[in-house]
Amino acid sequence: DGGITQSPKYLFRKEGQNVTLSCEQNLNHDAMYWYRQDPGQGLRLIYYSQIVNDFQKGDIAEGYSVSREKKESFPLTVTSAQKNPTAFYLCASSPPGALYEQYFGPGTRLTVT
Amino acid sequence: QKEVEQNSGPLSVPEGAIASLNCTYSDRVSQSFFWYRQYSGKSPELIMSIYSNGDKEDGRFTAQLNKASQYVSLLIRDSQPSDSATYLCAGGLNQGGKLIFGQGTELSVKP
Repeated sequence: DGGITQSPKYLFRKEGQNVTLSCEQNLNHDAMYWYRQDPGQGLRLIYYSQIVNDFQKGDIAEGYSVSREKKESFPLTVTSAQKNPTAFYLCASSPPGALYEQYFGPGTRLTVT
Repeated sequence: QKEVEQNSGPLSVPEGAIASLNCTYSDRVSQSFFWYRQYSGKSPELIMSIYSNGDKEDGRFTAQLNKASQYVSLLIRDSQPSDSATYLCAGGLNQGGKLIFGQGTELSVKP
């Protein structure tokens, strides 16, 4: 089955620890995205990548880092520098030639205490 | 002005009625628009896309785009309780390939 997978579904960490969220897709999509959603708010773009080995900062990149070593994978690291890391993290990808048409994975809910 | 703006609701309609969800956008947003449905605790699901002026129908859903008024809407006919969700409007930014999301409108369909 083709799709976007994110793991884990729920993640708990102590303050001060870095944590890496996984995002994998087997849809042959070139572009991948990371968003953050807080309760009652829309989606805010963290980072995005349109091709392998290249990525750009979104609107709220501070405290986050990414890599894009393979087309299928776009992991997000939430560092200890991120002041309010508790949120619902969503990974998305878009097919070739349809940059704005984004499909989402199931999300990872991160809680930092 | 926010780039993509929606009424947060909640919007409540009786079962079988037409639900109308609205969205306005700024000059910075392109003509590619999308509606996503998000159930509580789940990720957004793409349900409609519209690229040109006018109406686009898919089953019980109709998306409408009015470029002159910078307005996009989603109509849900014969609303069902299973349609109860938050609906996100999104538009493509003119430069950079980014999709901009509205805050979402919560829809509640009462049996």
